[in-house]
Amino acid sequence: GAVVSQHPSRVICKSGTSVKIECRSLDFQATTMFWYRQFPKQSLMLMATSNEGSKATYEQGVEKDKFLINHASLTLSTLTVTSAHPEDSSFYICSARDFWGQRTDTQYFGPGTRLTVL
Amino acid sequence: GIQVEQSPPDLILQEGANSTLRCNFSDSVNNLQWFHQNPWGQLINLFYIPSGTKQNGRLSATTVATERYSLLYISSSQTTDSGVYFCAVERGDNRLAFGKGNQVVVIP
Repeated sequence: GAVVSQHPSRVICKSGTSVKIECRSLDFQATTMFWYRQFPKQSLMLMATSNEGSKATYEQGVEKDKFLINHASLTLSTLTVTSAHPEDSSFYICSARDFWGQRTDTQYFGPGTRLTVL
Repeated sequence: GIQVEQSPPDLILQEGANSTLRCNFSDSVNNLQWFHQNPWGQLINLFYIPSGTKQNGRLSATTVATERYSLLYISSSQTTDSGVYFCAVERGDNRLAFGKGNQVVVIP
């Protein structure tokens, strides 16, 4: 149980285009999902917290107009990188909290999406 | 914000050896999790352990919340244990703060 999927797993795009990444909780409902960014050989940095049916909360320094987050249902959150530039190239990882699970504080992570902007 | 420090940053082990990874945190926490990130980037939940001791096979973890540290023990290490181990903590605001990780390489 507690499986989180991401799609796509890898994407290469041209500078200036927008890229959408999906995060789904497959076997549980998640009122809260999180988006992280990880640069090579570094730790995970929280970008934003996504709550179903409400606006996302962004961490300091994260541009909300650049990284659009939508959490339309209890099993799906999307991150759209708008007008992507090479410096946006990174590994993006989502996580979801198992709302109904016995351990409601546990976060489960997706497999990540590697974005390369040319 | 809360600070999370992991040590050692890098560790090379001979297969079959035991090891201990440490996570220190700067404030009281509601949640502490240990993860293993495999070479493909997937974070695998190892333990949810805000306090106490847990064991799962060759892995075990202990968190002493009053002293603000957690330990992850790997016994009889195998090459599949290679990867980065992350400790992450949360203070009750839903936001996990990650340490910089322990890079573990197990040599056959």
